[in-house]
Amino acid sequence: AQTVTQSQPEMSVQEAETVTLSCTYDTSENNYYLFWYKQPPSRQMILVIRQEAYKQQNATENRFSVNFQKAAKSFSLKISDSQLGDTAMYFCAFMGVYSGGGADGLTFGKGTHLIIQP
Amino acid sequence: DTGVSQNPRHKITKRGQNVTFRCDPISEHNRLYWYRQTLGQGPEFLTYFQNEAQLEKSRLLSDRFSAERPKGSFSTLEIQRTEQGDSAMYLCASSLRPNTEAFFGQGTRLTVV
Repeated sequence: AQTVTQSQPEMSVQEAETVTLSCTYDTSENNYYLFWYKQPPSRQMILVIRQEAYKQQNATENRFSVNFQKAAKSFSLKISDSQLGDTAMYFCAFMGVYSGGGADGLTFGKGTHLIIQP
Repeated sequence: DTGVSQNPRHKITKRGQNVTFRCDPISEHNRLYWYRQTLGQGPEFLTYFQNEAQLEKSRLLSDRFSAERPKGSFSTLEIQRTEQGDSAMYLCASSLRPNTEAFFGQGTRLTVV
């Protein structure tokens, strides 16, 4: 079974600053996907960014980028030029991919509450 | 189609009652997932469907929990003989294929009194 650990329960930064959220995971799978999801106070989970384990290049989506270290099983999220609307819970998640191409559900960490201060 | 829809949004029930939640996924999405999220925790995977086939149900929390997706479209999650520990947010998600983005609904908040 896989586990996902987010060691920062809460973080607070000033608007326009850069912030990095940490995530580590443990798995015996070789093929998998990693995700960061955002859950604003309205509670609907939204995908922020996704990384395929077989890709060495770190994923980037506008102000969001990841630092994927496969050997260290680390998957951190960097938010540049943070905005008030980035305030939310952020969840790191893992999905294993089976040999037939199938996949199971997501395994989530406990989340990091990110607060962007004006 | 505006996304994954869950009903009801809130449900208050007395201990021992049965409850049923409904999830309407994004049309043409073959995969449908159920998760439970308790306060201060990340979502916990319960079960999923590929069309009408339930491919994983060993992680349903007890035999009081069951899910169906009879025609491969909407799904229901039923909890029988509810207990206070069942109080949580129940989330549904759907995706087009196994390894593609899962879109989540807004959830059903269950309170067992």
